[in-house]
Amino acid sequence: EAQVTQNPRYLITVTGKKLTVTCSQNMNHEYMSWYRQDPGLGLRQIYYSMNVEVTDKGDVPEGYKVSRKEKRNFPLILESPSPNQTSLYFCASSTGGGDTQYFGPGTRLTVL
Amino acid sequence: AQSVAQPEDQVNVAEGNPLTVKCTYSVSGNPYLFWYVQYPNRGLQFLLKYITGDNLVKGSYGFEAEFNKSQTSFHLKKPSALVSDSALYFCAVRVTFRSARQLTFGSGTQLTVLP
Repeated sequence: EAQVTQNPRYLITVTGKKLTVTCSQNMNHEYMSWYRQDPGLGLRQIYYSMNVEVTDKGDVPEGYKVSRKEKRNFPLILESPSPNQTSLYFCASSTGGGDTQYFGPGTRLTVL
Repeated sequence: AQSVAQPEDQVNVAEGNPLTVKCTYSVSGNPYLFWYVQYPNRGLQFLLKYITGDNLVKGSYGFEAEFNKSQTSFHLKKPSALVSDSALYFCAVRVTFRSARQLTFGSGTQLTVLP
């Protein structure tokens, strides 16, 4: 089954404790991206990757890092989480940047 | 600026009635437009897209959308709403950002279908 998986689905952590949210896709897509969803703001892109070792900032990259060492994986790293990063995070993949994107189930992060 | 707007945060409709969820866009060049749906505790699911061709696009679950170039709109429609259609709906448009193509999303419209 074609899918995008994310882990963990739910995470509660404390300010400053480094965390990683994993994302994996099995569709051999070149393009992957991370979004955060906040009430009234829709989805805002954090980072995207057009291929292995090619990443770039989206609209709200501050406080986040990403890496793309393998085509299927695109982890999101919060080196020092803060409460304003409490949000619902989605990973997505597609064949190209402006093509139909396939979303993971989401990760709900709470930073205390 | 390239953008997409959903003017209604909330739309309520009675079951069996037609529904419309509005979307307007602003892009340079020809627009590529998408609709996604998000059910509670789920990721976004693709519903339909407009690339070129017929202005009326048909998608999943009986939804369709009408592309109107003069009004720069791409409204989502369904002739007869179901309670199970209650969800959060997002319109998206392809934009070019720092020479890279990507999708930008509207703020979402919560659709509630009342039994």
